[in-house]
Amino acid sequence: EAGVAQSPRYKIIEKRQSVAFWCNPISGHATLYWYQQILGQGPKLLIQFQNNGVVDDSQLPKDRFSAERLKGVDSTLKIQPAKLEDSAVYLCASSTKMGWERRRETQYFGPGTRLLVL
Amino acid sequence: DAKTTQPNSMESNEEEPVHLPCNHSTISGTDYIHWYRQLPSQGPEYVIHGLTSNVNNRMASLAIAEDRKSSTLILHRATLRDAAVYYCILSGWGAQKLVFGQGTRLTINP
Repeated sequence: EAGVAQSPRYKIIEKRQSVAFWCNPISGHATLYWYQQILGQGPKLLIQFQNNGVVDDSQLPKDRFSAERLKGVDSTLKIQPAKLEDSAVYLCASSTKMGWERRRETQYFGPGTRLLVL
Repeated sequence: DAKTTQPNSMESNEEEPVHLPCNHSTISGTDYIHWYRQLPSQGPEYVIHGLTSNVNNRMASLAIAEDRKSSTLILHRATLRDAAVYYCILSGWGAQKLVFGQGTRLTINP
């Protein structure tokens, strides 16, 4: 079974530029997550989708970050404009569980995209 | 969200058992205890989870205290590939999502 795919693996941009990350979850997984992991910290949830609907985006900086999940499969996360503090690894994860069952789900993570903003 | 407390770092020797502790004194009755680990330059990977009873799988064992206020992840025979940051996370009615803390950085000595 193929894992969660992410691209690109690395990206270097200058501040105020825009950037987009792509995620392809495991086939059949209804729930998709985007996390931000700053160096030395644990991952922080940015947004959670169930199929193509947003379940939780409470920690997404909506003035600069946006995300969508087309047809309930692939997802893109965009930053526009980027700031220095956005330098981090952006992780995508997926799972099969929905709703209340998410409390006992297993999340499968991709390798992440490492972003450096100069 | 119910919080967990883990030591910042631990060190062990190859081929010896490792016991990684986690305190979660504010756990609720519906919270599952999850363990994930993150190897260098990789995304987190699932290790094990449980609710009340001890759990075993091919990677590790999870020992849950009777009052559920603490748990221990047990690696029965550590290898160098087990060197990673280990995260203990609660997920339940209050937070149907994974909230990662700082985790425990495990170093394995040859």
